[in-house]
Amino acid sequence: DVKVTQSSRYLVKRTGEKVFLECVQDMDHENMFWYRQDPGLGLRLIYFSYDVKMKEKGDIPEGYSVSREKKERFSLILESASTNQTSMYLCASSTSGQETQYFGPGTRLLVL
Amino acid sequence: GNSVTQMEGPVTLSEEAFLTINCTYTATGYPSLFWYVQYPGEGLQLLLKATKADDKGSNKGFEATYRKETTSFHLEKGSVQVSDSAVYFCALDGGTSYGKLTFGQGTILTVHP
Repeated sequence: DVKVTQSSRYLVKRTGEKVFLECVQDMDHENMFWYRQDPGLGLRLIYFSYDVKMKEKGDIPEGYSVSREKKERFSLILESASTNQTSMYLCASSTSGQETQYFGPGTRLLVL
Repeated sequence: GNSVTQMEGPVTLSEEAFLTINCTYTATGYPSLFWYVQYPGEGLQLLLKATKADDKGSNKGFEATYRKETTSFHLEKGSVQVSDSAVYFCALDGGTSYGKLTFGQGTILTVHP
């Protein structure tokens, strides 16, 4: 079975802090994605990556950056956390040529 | 651009009731369509999918038919169970690069005994 893990289930940070969210997948997938999930808005794509060191902006990249130094790991970085970044963050992965994405359990981030 | 619209929730049903969650989409070309489900405290998992017009996806008693003429992909189940309580997301892959999905806003389903 595909497994996507995220470093934390719950995280509380202060405004202005730098925040790292880590995602690891164990199925050698080429594509990895970061979404945020907010009530009434569904999932919105922040960034995705189709290969090591490659990244593409999604629909809402402002205030975020990403890093993919190894194929299995995709990090989301909040350079200076703000209260409007309080949300559920979901990581997903997929293999090239396959549309199905596999999701991690999510990280619920609260920025105070 | 691509978009997905789901019926407003939350939806509350009694066990064994019939379920319909409406989903309509806007896309250029011929997208693949998906339903994902998110159980409490978990990430999303694929429930079913359809890749071309008139295809029917099915899984765990749920069904959805890809209707190109009405640009719809409504989710149905004949008899829901308490364990079906979850958030359901409709999504499409518009065939753009790298399998990017566009999601609807999600519909919360609660099933009472």
